[in-house]
Amino acid sequence: SQTIHQWPATLVQPVGSPLSLECTVEGTSNPNLYWYRQAAGRGLQLLFYSVGIGQISSEVPQNLSASRPQDRQFILSSKKLLLSDSGFYLCAWSVFRQGADTGELFFGEGSRLTVL
Amino acid sequence: AQTVTQSQPEMSVQEAETVTLSCTYDTSESNYYLFWYKQPPSRQMILVIRQEAYKQQNATENRFSVNFQKAAKSFSLKISDSQLGDTAMYFCAFVDYGQNFVFGPGTRLSVLP
Repeated sequence: SQTIHQWPATLVQPVGSPLSLECTVEGTSNPNLYWYRQAAGRGLQLLFYSVGIGQISSEVPQNLSASRPQDRQFILSSKKLLLSDSGFYLCAWSVFRQGADTGELFFGEGSRLTVL
Repeated sequence: AQTVTQSQPEMSVQEAETVTLSCTYDTSESNYYLFWYKQPPSRQMILVIRQEAYKQQNATENRFSVNFQKAAKSFSLKISDSQLGDTAMYFCAFVDYGQNFVFGPGTRLSVLP
């Protein structure tokens, strides 16, 4: 069965420090991978998505970046965190083959980032 | 571009009662999926129910059912026999066959004892 792991679960970082959030998927190949951010009590904001190794699309210009060094690994990074980067970050994956899959997103457990 | 609208930011329901959450969407696609996700206080996103647009029959999962009106682009979620554990944010979501996911802003549901 497929699983998704995301870490760390909780992170407290000072302004200006670097960030690295990691996400790995098991049990499937060539998934689409996504990073979402969610402010407290708010909806989901798509940050990045990837359809393959080294292929990253950015939805929102900001000081965050994403990388996909391996097929089932997705990393969210920042060189210098801002206060506004605080939030709840969710990694997700999907695979869709018409007639064979149900098209849904599968989410990780999330990472709560607090920038002080 | 596709959009998803949830017009009810917050709702409440008494335990054991029935509640309906509204969702409308806009798309020019004819083939797509619709979902309702639940996000409890733990913040884990949990799939509640899915609907394929080509199916006329409304999806049902235990106490959860949808009213899918394709022509009206409406996709409401009905929760029957509400339980305290149903307290959560509920997100309506759309995805086309190109895997472009769009989420609504969410409805915060409180089930009252």
